[in-house]
Amino acid sequence: DIQMTQSPSSLSASLGDRVTITCRASQSISRSLNWYQQKPGKAPNLLIYGASNLHSGVPSRFSGSGSGTDFTLTIRSLQPEDLATYYCQQYYGDTLTFGGGTNLEIK
Amino acid sequence: EVQLVESGGGLVKPGGSLRLSCAASGFGFTNAWMSWARRAPGKGLEWVGRINRGIDGATTVYHTPVKGRFSISRDDSKNTLYLEMNSLRTEDTAVYYCTTYSGEPYYYMAVWGEGTTVTVSS
Repeated sequence: DIQMTQSPSSLSASLGDRVTITCRASQSISRSLNWYQQKPGKAPNLLIYGASNLHSGVPSRFSGSGSGTDFTLTIRSLQPEDLATYYCQQYYGDTLTFGGGTNLEIK
Repeated sequence: EVQLVESGGGLVKPGGSLRLSCAASGFGFTNAWMSWARRAPGKGLEWVGRINRGIDGATTVYHTPVKGRFSISRDDSKNTLYLEMNSLRTEDTAVYYCTTYSGEPYYYMAVWGEGTTVTVSS
């Protein structure tokens, strides 16, 4: 299975900050990467698919980039409702794998 | 409204079995690929497996940790997805989520249920 490594595992930022989360694949996965947000006690929500495509209804402050092995999720101006854990997920192989998650806290 | 509602979770002893159900509504279930994912306490998300459409043969694919123990099936007449879990281990303790699964080309999980909790403990 392809392994996905996210960094940092936890992050504390202030409202209005630009936040960057990275995800690294154990082998090249082209642009076969999605990002999810999971708020405490809730089911996950799809944010980004195909590395950089914003899912319907997701605020434009979220963006994704990258290809090959290195990917980035950026939140342009952090809002209170962005408190959550963020996961990357690859789909290059026949089986899907998630990164370990990044727990984002608001200072 | 697109909705997925899981049921069937509970407490089971190691080595035991459990069947989860997922009732789908608000979209064309028959034409949808579906999947299951889980989140163990204190851990991250883990994909369990997926099933494609009945007309495509309802083919299944599973993540390595559950291969040979878990089985995904669907009843399109009831708009219901199932996850049959056998030979359960303590490490299978998790919240289990039913999800839609987009298939080609992006393979994302756009709609998630609220989850049902499975606890494997003696």
